[in-house]
Amino acid sequence: EAGVAQSPRYKIIEKRQSVAFWCNPISGHATLYWYQQILGQGPKLLIQFQNNGVVDDSQLPKDRFSAERLKGVDSTLKIQPAKLEDSAVYLCASSFGGVGEQFFGPGTRLTVL
Amino acid sequence: LAKTTQPISMDSYEGQEVNITCSHNNIATNDYITWYQQFPSQGPRFIIQGYKTKVTNEVASLFIPADRKSSTLSLPRVSLSDTAVYYCLVGDPVIGNMLTFGGGTRLMVKP
Repeated sequence: EAGVAQSPRYKIIEKRQSVAFWCNPISGHATLYWYQQILGQGPKLLIQFQNNGVVDDSQLPKDRFSAERLKGVDSTLKIQPAKLEDSAVYLCASSFGGVGEQFFGPGTRLTVL
Repeated sequence: LAKTTQPISMDSYEGQEVNITCSHNNIATNDYITWYQQFPSQGPRFIIQGYKTKVTNEVASLFIPADRKSSTLSLPRVSLSDTAVYYCLVGDPVIGNMLTFGGGTRLMVKP
């Protein structure tokens, strides 16, 4: 069974630039999550989708972050414009339904200079 | 959301049993307890989930006392490859709110 795919794996940008991350969940998983993990901290949920609807985006900085999950399959997370404090690993995860077990992708490491 | 408290770090030696305790004093009736493991440069990986008493799988056991205000992840006979960060999460899997990871416990297994 293929796991959660993410791209790119690494990205370096300058502050005020834009960046986008892509995630393809495990086939058949209705729920998709985006997390931000700053070095030395646990992952922080940014947004949770159930199919193509948003379940929870309470911690998403909506002035600069946006996410979509068209057709209820893959998803894109965008940051525009980026700030230095956005430097982190962005993790995508998916689960079949409720949050019994989340499957995580390898993450995208973003460095904002 | 129930807040969890774990030790920041623990050291052990190969072959020993390791017990990591998580406190969750305000756990709700419908909340489950889930543990994840994370290696450097990887996403977290599910270890075990439970509601009460004891749950065991091929890699770990989870002990939950009757009041459910704490839980203990038990790793039998750890090896160097068990060196990782371990996270305890509490929440309702039906609602889907068990998504607060906290700081985790850094386990270092020494030879």
